[in-house]
Amino acid sequence: DGGITQSPKYLFRKEGQNVTLSCEQNLNHDAMYWYRQDPGQGLRLIYYSQIVNDFQKGDIAEGYSVSREKKESFPLTVTSAQKNPTAFYLCASSATSGGPWEQFFGPGTRLTVL
Amino acid sequence: ILNVEQSPQSLHVQEGDSTNFTCSFPSSNFYALHWYRWETAKSPEALFVMTLNGDEKKKGRISATLNTKEGYSYLYIKGSQPEDSATYLCAPKAPRDILTGGGNKLTFGTGTQLKVEL
Repeated sequence: DGGITQSPKYLFRKEGQNVTLSCEQNLNHDAMYWYRQDPGQGLRLIYYSQIVNDFQKGDIAEGYSVSREKKESFPLTVTSAQKNPTAFYLCASSATSGGPWEQFFGPGTRLTVL
Repeated sequence: ILNVEQSPQSLHVQEGDSTNFTCSFPSSNFYALHWYRWETAKSPEALFVMTLNGDEKKKGRISATLNTKEGYSYLYIKGSQPEDSATYLCAPKAPRDILTGGGNKLTFGTGTQLKVEL
């Protein structure tokens, strides 16, 4: 089945540690995205990538890093510089050419900093 | 960052009621509008992508209209059912993102949380 997988579903981190969230898609989409959700707020864009080996900062990129070495994969690293990392993280992908394509979302990772 | 407002924030209706929500966005900076449904414990799922003023789209009992001149979109649910309970998110897309290479970058509203009770 085509879709987006994220792992792990739940993640616990100690303060000061970096942690990497996985996102894989087999939809053959060029574009991938990372969002963060906090209570009472909409989905906020962290980073996005429109093509392999290229990515751009979203609205709240500070304290995060990404890589896009393969079309299928877009891992997100939450670094110790992120002041408030406890949140729900969603990965998405979409086509890019020909129109405003809908985004397909993964199941999310809930990160808790202890 | 686009200023996106959704109202109401939450809504409780009875099974069989019809309901509607609003998404407001800057009319001067518009390219497309997405609607997503996000059920508890599931991933957000696209409902509609709309681009033209006056556009109306329908999927089963759910429909949406778009007014790009005044900067709003309505989502309607006819005869609400418990399975319609979800958070409904709208996300406009600005043309400047296309021009600057922003691709499909969306700005999401905070959503309308719908609860349909028996």
